[in-house]
This record gives sequence, C-alpha cells and structure tokens, in this order.
Amino acid sequence: GESVGLHLPTLSVQEGDNSIINCAYSNSASDYFIWYKQESGKGPQFIIDIRSNMDKRQGQRVTVLLNKTVKHLSLQIAATQPGDSAVYFCAEKRTGDKLIFGTGTRLQVFP
Amino acid sequence: GAGVSQTPSNKVTEKGKYVELRCDPISGHTALYWYRQSLGQGPEFLIYFQGTGAADDSGLPNDRFFAVRPEGSVSTLKIQRTERGDSAVYLCASSLTGSNSPLHFGNGTRLTVT
Repeated sequence: GESVGLHLPTLSVQEGDNSIINCAYSNSASDYFIWYKQESGKGPQFIIDIRSNMDKRQGQRVTVLLNKTVKHLSLQIAATQPGDSAVYFCAEKRTGDKLIFGTGTRLQVFP
Repeated sequence: GAGVSQTPSNKVTEKGKYVELRCDPISGHTALYWYRQSLGQGPEFLIYFQGTGAADDSGLPNDRFFAVRPEGSVSTLKIQRTERGDSAVYLCASSLTGSNSPLHFGNGTRLTVT
C-alpha cells in the first residue's frame, strides 16, 4: 500500500549540531508536503511546508529538501537546541486534500 | 490570535456510552479536519469538511463514528456505543482553504474508554 515512512525512529544529537530527519513517500501524485513538530501532550505544530514544484525551502533554522526522483523528503535543523526535542512528522497531501502522516521520528538533544 | 480549541481536553467514559468531542477552528478557516492518534503513532485521518459539508469521510472506521459542522465553523465528532479500542487522542485541525495550505492543530481530546 501507499505510505509515508521514516528511516529512523529516534535521532540523538548534541546541542549545537545540525539535525537531519528523513522521510520517504510512495505516492508520486502527492503535490504538497508538511513537516510537523509534536511535543508531549500537545497537537502537531506546523514547521515548514513545500510544494512539489520546489526542491528546497528555508525557514528560520530549518530547511526542507524534496527529491521527487527518489520520493524523499528531509528536514534539516541548524544549531539544534534542547527546545527542539520532540517527535517530528512528515505528511503528504494526496488527492482530495487529505493529509497523510508518517509514524514520526523522535529527536533527542543532549547538552 | 486564538488557535484551534478542543473540548474537553480529557474524557473518560464507560464502554457502550455515547460521547461528543467539540472543535472550535481558527476564525475564517473554511477547512476542518479530524484525526485520531494512538500512542507512538502518527495522526490517522478520519474526516475532512469544506464549509458545512463532509468532503471526505473515508477515514471514519465504522458507522459508530459521525461528525457534523452545521454552520461551517464549530464541529462535533460523535461516537456511539464506545469501545475500548476507541481510546486515543482525537485531534482537530483547521486550514485556511484546505488546498495546499497548512493544517493548524488543536491539542486534542484524550478519550479513555473503560
């Protein structure tokens, strides 16, 4: 079946280092992708989005890269901080505006 | 401005009971979504409204689940004859237009069926 998946369930990084969270998707018809951050007890928080006509988009300390050839999405966080510790989800929007989420990657930041 | 508001934040009910979960979206957002999230999993799509109508209800697991949005703003998710397997966090999100605009989530209602 079609799915949005993540390569690593847990990522541990040192404070100040850069983090890269990866995501694979299988539906080539998806045209919009979003990264969310979720802290314990809270709803997913929007981080950054990208449309399929782009391959890179930058925000504050975050960059999303989209490789449509291999159906791969990544989130790069620069100078990772303890407050970045959370679960990160990629999500793809398929036909009919339904947003499908992956299972998530837990980011742990150590001082 | 105010974000998406969900009430109650926690709900404990007995197996077989009926529950209603409420969602107040961001003012002006035409699209509203319901998701369900189990522990350690990503949110699972249930239903999506564009205005007052359900544009896609393909994620509702069975006919015990129903949702309404009568005036195109507040939405209620209704679960009849609750089962222990319905226990999860129910998330609501709204979006300005639905099409290629980000979803903004509330903090969810944690439903526990005993």
